[in-house]
Amino acid sequence: DAGVIQSPRHEVTEMGQEVTLRCKPISGHDYLFWYRQTMMRGLELLIYFNNNVPIDDSGMPEDRFSAKMPNASFSTLKIQPSEPRDSAVYFCASSPREGGYEQYFGPGTRLTVT
Amino acid sequence: AQSVTQPDIHITVSEGASLELRCNYSYGATPYLFWYVQSPGQGLQLLLKYFSGDTLVQGIKGFEAEFKRSQSSFNLRKPSVHWSDAAEYFCAVGASGGSYIPTFGRGTSLIVHP
Repeated sequence: DAGVIQSPRHEVTEMGQEVTLRCKPISGHDYLFWYRQTMMRGLELLIYFNNNVPIDDSGMPEDRFSAKMPNASFSTLKIQPSEPRDSAVYFCASSPREGGYEQYFGPGTRLTVT
Repeated sequence: AQSVTQPDIHITVSEGASLELRCNYSYGATPYLFWYVQSPGQGLQLLLKYFSGDTLVQGIKGFEAEFKRSQSSFNLRKPSVHWSDAAEYFCAVGASGGSYIPTFGRGTSLIVHP
């Protein structure tokens, strides 16, 4: 299996622009998670899906953030408009229902907003 | 609510020396416990997990961890550290029932001296 795939790996954009991050989970995994990692706040859970349905989005910082999972093999995290404080590494992770829910992380997208 | 504490932000060891990274958790029932490793520029990778049974669990890369219910701890150990073990290590706790939202510690950065 190719593991969790994220694109792009690096994104540099200007403040006010729309940013879309993409994730392909491991086939057969029922759960998908979006995290944000910064030096100041560590690893933060933004939102997670179960069978393509958003279960908890309480970690989404503002209305500027939105996430979708149109099917079992694809999810997006969108920031519109972007701000410099959104600069971080964004991780996608997926998890099978069985096995205690250990998570498999993608390589991350490093976002820089100037 | 569950919580995880990793009391050491940084740990420095010499190559070949033994290692112990501390993790304390707070959770009312028997938790699911995990250790993840993050190498620079990469996503988190599962090292080992505890669900039930034998309290000493073996993981990849020669790591092991011991669950001690009386101390609410799940410390990670390795008898002889290699330079390639330099990375960030995260302890995580998952609920064994009810709403599933994993909680990660802030991480411990391991520095290995030659």
